[in-house]
Amino acid sequence: EDQVTQSPEALRLQEGESSSLNCSYTVSGLRGLFWYRQDPGKGPEFLFTLYSAGEEKEKERLKATLTKKESFLHITAPKPEDSATYLCAVQAAGNKLTFGGGTRVLVKP
Amino acid sequence: KAGVTQTPRYLIKTRGQQVTLSCSPISGHRSVSWYQQTPGQGLQFLFEYFSETQRNKGNFPGRFSGRQFSNSRSEMNVSTLELGDSALYLCASSLEEADTQYFGPGTRLTVL
Repeated sequence: EDQVTQSPEALRLQEGESSSLNCSYTVSGLRGLFWYRQDPGKGPEFLFTLYSAGEEKEKERLKATLTKKESFLHITAPKPEDSATYLCAVQAAGNKLTFGGGTRVLVKP
Repeated sequence: KAGVTQTPRYLIKTRGQQVTLSCSPISGHRSVSWYQQTPGQGLQFLFEYFSETQRNKGNFPGRFSGRQFSNSRSEMNVSTLELGDSALYLCASSLEEADTQYFGPGTRLTVL
């Protein structure tokens, strides 16, 4: 059975204080690893898709990397608007996404 | 391009009733998946539809069902509602199977 574990569960950062979120996974035949951002009361917003170990993608202050067993989401010099829950999900067979529990990030000014 | 839309956004039902939720995918997207999100269990996969066929189903009881129409719009139905069915129900669409999924705003269902 596919499993995804995210750590830490919660992260409090000062504005400008860079940090990393971890997503470790166990899956048979990874087709893709996805990062989403979710604000309270809203649906998840797509950030990145990673397909193979060694792949990296960047968007503004966010950078996602992938190894054979885990993925990292690096937040560089975060701003208060980066406060959200960040979700990691893996896709193996079909269209099913298996999600981790998420990391709640709070960036204080 | 308009995003995924879900109706209604909020719903209050009582135990034993049934409910139907609707999802309109992004224009041109043919695959629709449904997820349940609760504080305790997080986001869990319900089922996936592609070309009006259910392609994959999560570990939920038979009270949860769905369908997809020829225009790719989808509905999910929950019969004999239980208190534990209170959740945010999310619909996601993708161009084809295994493509990136884009989520709608969700329908917040409260069962009293």
